[in-house]
This record gives sequence, structure tokens and C-alpha cells, in this order.
Amino acid sequence: DTGVSQNPRHKITKRGQNVTFRCDPISEHNRLYWYRQTLGQGPEFLTYFQNEAQLEKSRLLSDRFSAERPKGSFSTLEIQRTEQGDSAMYLCASSFGNNEQFFGPGTRLTVL
Amino acid sequence: EDQVTQSPEALRLQEGESSSLNCSYTVSGLRGLFWYRQDPGKGPEFLFTLYSAGEEKEKERLKATLTKKESFLHITAPKPEDSATYLCAIMPGNTGKLIFGQGTTLQVKP
Repeated sequence: DTGVSQNPRHKITKRGQNVTFRCDPISEHNRLYWYRQTLGQGPEFLTYFQNEAQLEKSRLLSDRFSAERPKGSFSTLEIQRTEQGDSAMYLCASSFGNNEQFFGPGTRLTVL
Repeated sequence: EDQVTQSPEALRLQEGESSSLNCSYTVSGLRGLFWYRQDPGKGPEFLFTLYSAGEEKEKERLKATLTKKESFLHITAPKPEDSATYLCAIMPGNTGKLIFGQGTTLQVKP
């Protein structure tokens, strides 16, 4: 399968714990994006990378959230001290330049 | 402020009953408008990109059109397998991010 992959697909954690998600983009894509989606809403932009450089972060991204793409390939999104409001689907997408973005299956986070 | 509004929020059609979904947007310089399909519990699936007013794209029973203020997704003779949430997104000219609408959930009954 040459599409975008995300792991884990589901994560249940207790409030206050740290979690980390991984995204592997389509291999020839130089841009990688993170979005968050809650029930009944469209995806909401969090941050994106071009190669290993983080080009933009949403104002909604609190300092508990951090993303990396160390070698310009896969990316990780870490949430520290999780809160119940962090429960959502976390989506990763990749693209070549400003062309269409292809999404992965998402990681569903539940914070108890 | 760049934003996207989709209507209706939900749409129920009988199989074969054609209709249109609306996506209204405001943006300071449009780089592109994108349509996606999303099935429950899955990531969005890319359908179309439109770049300029007057442009049209077609794929099977779907046709997307674009004006300077809105886009339409026309569904001709839909089938039950077309049931999904359809998302519209804009890419402003000064960024690579997508700004999504809340989606239209389409249900097609046999």
C-alpha cells in the first residue's frame, strides 16, 4: 500500500498522560500536514512541514502539542498532559507542493 | 477572515434523485478549492481540485463547479454507495493549509 499510513489507529489514555502518534507520508511527497477532526466538524489545521522544516502552526495549537519531522520523511505528533478536550480524530495528510493533499486513515484519541 | 460554509448540513435522496451540494467561501486570494469524500471512521478521500472561476471537473456521477464565491457538487442519479460526508476546503494564496467546511452528510436510499 503506497498511501499515507498512521499509527496507532486508536489510542485510549487517561487525562494527564502523554501520547505520541506517527505518520508515514506517500514517499515522493515533500509536504506533511496534521489536522484534528471532532464529530460533525470538518478537519481543523494544526501544522505542516515542507521536508523537515515546520512552516506553519495554528494559533489553536497549544504548547502541549509538538510535532517533528526529523529527516523529512515520517512525522510524529506528541500531546503532553492530555485533557478530555483533546479527544478527537488526528489526521495526517501529504502532498507534493501545493497540490492535492492525500489523507491517512487517522488516529482516534480518547482521553478518559 | 478565510472561511467555508457548506449547505445543507444533511441531505437525504432517493436512489436516482439528482441534487447539488453548496460550498460558499470567503478568502483573500484563492489558490485552490478542494472536494473530499469521507466515510465514517475513515480519512477524507480526494475528489477534485478547482483553481479558477468557471472551471468544472467530473468523475462518474459527480461534477464540481466553481464561481468567485461558491462551488457546487452536483450528484447525478446517485446510488446508495454515494452515501458519505462531502467536505469542501479552500487553500488561501498565502499558505499551504486547507480550511474545511463542516461537511454535508448525504444519505441515498435504495
